Amino acid sequence: DQQVKQNSPSLSVQEGRISILNCDYTNSMFDYFLWYKKYPAEGPTFLISISSIKDKNEDGRFTVFLNKSAKHLSLHIVPSQPGDSAVYFCAASEGNYGQNFVFGPGTRLSVLP
Amino acid sequence: EAGVTQSPTHLIKTRGQQATLRCSPISGHTSVYWYQQALGLGLQFLLWYDEGEERNRGNFPPRFSGRQFPNYSSELNVNALELEDSALYLCATRGDMIGTGEVDNSPLHFGNGTRLTVT
Repeated sequence: DQQVKQNSPSLSVQEGRISILNCDYTNSMFDYFLWYKKYPAEGPTFLISISSIKDKNEDGRFTVFLNKSAKHLSLHIVPSQPGDSAVYFCAASEGNYGQNFVFGPGTRLSVLP
Repeated sequence: EAGVTQSPTHLIKTRGQQATLRCSPISGHTSVYWYQQALGLGLQFLLWYDEGEERNRGNFPPRFSGRQFPNYSSELNVNALELEDSALYLCATRGDMIGTGEVDNSPLHFGNGTRLTVT
């Protein structure tokens, strides 16, 4: 049973436009959420996180939105750049000192020049 | 500051052999997590070590084991290798998050992984 879902395996966006990556979770005990970016042959790189006490967190071009009632979070990238092309994973953990982080299957973002 | 380092980068073994993968954490990080990423799949949680002890393990058989050393580096051992163990094995570390009297959250920081191929 997948606790963290990313229902879009891939997404293509034109350079300069907004990229929206979505993530849904089933465990209502999750209270810390993260987004990672992964290039081929490299480990995932941390992008941005949000705790359940917030509904929005922003860092430069990246904004994460959390809708706890819908158990849904999204990552907005504005404006999208070709270097953003990568696989994006969302992850969730339960408890402040999370036991294990549960990752979604990933969404491959392609930003077209 | 050096990041999380994993060795070897690539490892080729035959079925039935044992594999040992190593991870050195970021300085100051005491928690080590191991994940498996099989081809086309997401990251599956394997093991979590903190302060030298195994704190949690994922849904993997006992032939996946590991340990954490006093310097907080870690080893992942896979015994009796099977073909489906072929995957990218990622180590991630995490530091103490206590601050200003309130427990804060901190992310995992990943190494570049060890690509294990079982033939």
